[in-house]
Amino acid sequence: QVQLVQSGAEVKKPEASVKVSCEASGYTFTSYGISWVRQAPGQGLEWMGWISGYNGNRNYAKKFQGRVTMTTDTSTSTAYMELRSLRSDDTAVYFCARWELTTTSFDYWGQGTLVTVSS
Amino acid sequence: QSALTQPRSVSGSPGQSVTISCTGTTSDVGGYNFVSWYQHHPGKAPKLMIYDVSQRPSGVPDRFSGSKSGNTASLTISGLQAEDEADYYCCSYAGSYSVVFGGGTKLTVL
Repeated sequence: QVQLVQSGAEVKKPEASVKVSCEASGYTFTSYGISWVRQAPGQGLEWMGWISGYNGNRNYAKKFQGRVTMTTDTSTSTAYMELRSLRSDDTAVYFCARWELTTTSFDYWGQGTLVTVSS
Repeated sequence: QSALTQPRSVSGSPGQSVTISCTGTTSDVGGYNFVSWYQHHPGKAPKLMIYDVSQRPSGVPDRFSGSKSGNTASLTISGLQAEDEADYYCCSYAGSYSVVFGGGTKLTVL
């Protein structure tokens, strides 16, 4: 069965960076994309960007351009999301989700990773 | 890209129907038939309920249905059940391999 397993919770200081991983199993990693979506406390879902599992092509939401980098390791079917220059309002649960390109929908999700930014 | 507009909350009694609207623009909802809906119970991962405006993934009850008219998409839940109480988010393709979510709607089953 399809599974996306994310790395554990992180606590970071302002201006630091965080890198969250998302290990996929149960499907052909290179046949789908991975998107990253976050939810700040009391807020809604926010799309951060997408990376192709096939060729590494990516597109980031304008809000995060310059601060985020998404990568993949096809040898381990793992996607990564690195966010730099962290601020307190980056405190959120970060989800990875499999992006079905033909429908542009997110059909499987990771369990979420809480990133807390605090001095 | 601005978030799609959803009502903050809706409610209904068991057995009733509720409809959640999702309003965007011609650059997203109105421009593509790629609207999806997600059910999100706090502390869990979101779950895909509807894709391509009105298609249900395998395993999603047919009590859930989706539609679209112009720049507004809708999710209707009929025969409300207690377990339907959750947050619901719409999402639309917005071109150039990007999507935009709605602000979310809290469904309360009375």
